[in-house]
Amino acid sequence: DAGITQSPRHKVTETGTPVTLRCHQTENHRYMYWYRQDPGHGLRLIHYSYGVKDTDKGEVSDGYSVSRSKTEDFLLTLESATSSQTSVYFCAISRDSRTDTQYFGPGTRLTVL
Amino acid sequence: DQQVKQNSPSLSVQEGRISILNCDYTNSMFDYFLWYKKYPAEGPTFLISISSIKDKNEDGRFTVFLNKSAKHLSLHIVPSQPGDSAVYFCAASGGSTGGSTLGRLYFGRGTQLTVWP
Repeated sequence: DAGITQSPRHKVTETGTPVTLRCHQTENHRYMYWYRQDPGHGLRLIHYSYGVKDTDKGEVSDGYSVSRSKTEDFLLTLESATSSQTSVYFCAISRDSRTDTQYFGPGTRLTVL
Repeated sequence: DQQVKQNSPSLSVQEGRISILNCDYTNSMFDYFLWYKKYPAEGPTFLISISSIKDKNEDGRFTVFLNKSAKHLSLHIVPSQPGDSAVYFCAASGGSTGGSTLGRLYFGRGTQLTVWP
């Protein structure tokens, strides 16, 4: 299994509070991704990173920001959490080229009350 | 707009028989396809992939078939086992524009496979 950890694994928070989710990898892979999984939607890309300090938006990026200051860490921040951001969040990594397989972390279940 | 579609939300198969999971896509620029398996409370696990230059790829009990003209792929599991019970996601990449080489994955909504004894 690829060395990917996510923290926290579960979080309950209130509307309007900031939340930061962390993804940590030990594989030294260049690409990192944040997805959310919701019933009836499969997995949808929020943001991705193609190197340290290099990030870009995915298809559902509104309300989220990311940062990558080190190869191994990719942070996802909800500046002001809303109930619509209640979801399961998965981090993924891939080594390099665009045909490389993405490997996923165990997920973070976030509930916004 | 869903570019990768899995039209069957669930499939139930008896142990030992073949499971066939289907996936359709709309973007003709997709050139790499993957299947992931997901158990509850875990992240998706990579299962098998296929490049658009092939029409079949096999790995043990798992075979993926690609029909580019029909924009259709399928995953065959033979023989099916109770441990195969999971949600299976089809994903596709390619079709990037603007010079990006990032392999963004587009996922279907998943098919819940149940293999019963």
